Amino acid sequence: AQTVTQSQPEMSVQEAETVTLSCTYDTSESDYYLFWYKQPPSRQMILVIRQEAYKQQNATENRFSVNFQKAAKSFSLKISDSQLGDAAMYFCAYRSANNYGQNFVFGPGTRLSVLP
Amino acid sequence: DGGITQSPKYLFRKEGQNVTLSCEQNLNHDAMYWYRQDPGQGLRLIYYSQIVNDFQKGDIAEGYSVSREKKESFPLTVTSAQKNPTAFYLCASSKGQGAYEQYFGPGTRLTVT
Repeated sequence: AQTVTQSQPEMSVQEAETVTLSCTYDTSESDYYLFWYKQPPSRQMILVIRQEAYKQQNATENRFSVNFQKAAKSFSLKISDSQLGDAAMYFCAYRSANNYGQNFVFGPGTRLSVLP
Repeated sequence: DGGITQSPKYLFRKEGQNVTLSCEQNLNHDAMYWYRQDPGQGLRLIYYSQIVNDFQKGDIAEGYSVSREKKESFPLTVTSAQKNPTAFYLCASSKGQGAYEQYFGPGTRLTVT
């Protein structure tokens, strides 16, 4: 079974600075999708960014970008120009592309604090 | 507006009572999911459904039951057999298999005393 690990339970960043959140995963599959979700204090889960494993190019969404290292099974999230509204729990998630019955596997999350 | 609704936001029950959490979506999504979230932990899958009238157990299905009689609705019943039901419950949906993300509802906080 696939597993997702986020080794940083908590992180903090100064406003306007850059922070990188780590995520590693374990899978024997070659085709899959990876996601980063944000859960602010409201507890509403929000998709931040998506990466298809077959794409070599790292995904980017405005201030959010990923560093996808397929061989290392690593999928880190970089937040540039951090804002107070970025403070939240961040979850890394994996989804198989091949197994119809396989659903999303979430990591334990990283709590990000943004310091003014 | 399209989205997922969960009701109520807060729910209180006495131990020994069954309770049903509502989840409705108007996104025309085929797949729906129920997760449980405990403090300091990620999301754990309780049940999921890929199509109407079909559902599968997730990692922690014991003490829970679901139904999927309509595409839009996927209610979760927390039975008295669930040993530790107090938690935050999230419902989600997605278009189906593929690179489609899950959309989440606002969640229901269940407290059982």
